[in-house]
Amino acid sequence: EAGVAQSPRYKIIEKRQSVAFWCNPISGHATLYWYQQILGQGPKLLIQFQNNGVVDDSQLPKDRFSAERLKGVDSTLKIQPAKLEDSAVYLCASSLNFDVNTEAFFGQGTRLTVV
Amino acid sequence: EDKVVQSPLSLVVHEGDTVTLNCSYEVTNFRSLLWYKQEKKAPTFLFMLTSSGIEKKSGRLSSILDKKELFSILNITATQTGDSAIYLCAGSGSARQLTFGSGTQLTVLP
Repeated sequence: EAGVAQSPRYKIIEKRQSVAFWCNPISGHATLYWYQQILGQGPKLLIQFQNNGVVDDSQLPKDRFSAERLKGVDSTLKIQPAKLEDSAVYLCASSLNFDVNTEAFFGQGTRLTVV
Repeated sequence: EDKVVQSPLSLVVHEGDTVTLNCSYEVTNFRSLLWYKQEKKAPTFLFMLTSSGIEKKSGRLSSILDKKELFSILNITATQTGDSAIYLCAGSGSARQLTFGSGTQLTVLP
């Protein structure tokens, strides 16, 4: 079974530039998460989708971050414009279903450096 | 707001030692407690605990949940250098999402 795929693996941009990350969850997984992990901290949820609907985006800085999951499969997370404090690893995860109590599987992540 | 606290923040041991990692949680309408191992970027799943007092075991790793005290521990016996990683604990509740602790950085020296 293929895992969660993310790209790119690494990205370096200057502040005020824009960047986009892509995620393809495990086939058949209805729930998709984007987490931000700053060095030395645990992952923090940015947004949670169930199919193509947003379940929770309360911690997403909506003035600069946006995410979509068209057709309920792939997802993209965008930052525009980036700030220095956005430097982090962005992790995508998926799980079978919102209402089923199962584990989430994580992708390899994208390490973003904003200079 | 859900909260998960892990201790210690870091731990350095020698190969062959036994370690215990701690996780306390405050999760609304608790469903499960999960442990992950993070070596580079991707956290990999270790255990999911839903019932109190039932030990989950996989090789040298084991974990148990105490729902009365809102606490879980992860034990690793006969540690190896390959066990060096960040161990993350996460709680899942009515929000249907994982709230993570800050992790324990384990370093196993040869």
